[in-house]
Amino acid sequence: GQQLNQSPQSMFIQEGEDVSMNCTSSSIFNTWLWYKQDPGEGPVLLIALYKAGELTSNGRLTAQFGITRKDSFLNISASIPSDVGIYFCAGRNNAGNMLTFGGGTRLMVKP
Amino acid sequence: NAGVTQTPKFRVLKTGQSMTLLCAQDMNHEYMYWYRQDPGMGLRLIHYSVGEGTTAKGEVPDGYNVSRLKKQNFLLGLESAAPSQTSVYFCATSQTSSREQYFGPGTRLTVT
Repeated sequence: GQQLNQSPQSMFIQEGEDVSMNCTSSSIFNTWLWYKQDPGEGPVLLIALYKAGELTSNGRLTAQFGITRKDSFLNISASIPSDVGIYFCAGRNNAGNMLTFGGGTRLMVKP
Repeated sequence: NAGVTQTPKFRVLKTGQSMTLLCAQDMNHEYMYWYRQDPGMGLRLIHYSVGEGTTAKGEVPDGYNVSRLKKQNFLLGLESAAPSQTSVYFCATSQTSSREQYFGPGTRLTVT
């Protein structure tokens, strides 16, 4: 089946630092989604990307749909303690019905 | 507007017991999904439904059954629970297959 490699697996950063994480795929996707999951909660959608090259922001978060359609990036600027959580990428191919999820990036922020 | 709700939140089963997890949505979405989440493995799709009365297999369907008798509800059943089914189960919905999915709060299931 399709694989999504998400990196890094975990990050421990200082409050105020910028964060970057990415997902790569062995096959082409036509949708990329980024979710955040807090402990004991379901994933919450952060950003949705539908076109290759698309760059979309949501507050301090910015995500990009890679030109090759095989990767996507999420950046968080000026991190704050409430950014702590697990960030997941998810991709959808032309078959449409199913999302493939990355393994997650666990973000820890030191005040 | 509750979005996506799941019941129960927690459950402990003995091996061989059966149970049903309920997902309910008030967003009038056509598509509904059941995922399981295990440590370090992200979310894996169990079954999904493209509309009332329809169901389809996902990536890891074995040991589970589903039903979508009403548009707003999607049920996940375990007929004979096994320890390997210990996991956190998430329901999700989407308006169409190409749009983003919205998740419920999860059900934590332990099978002893």
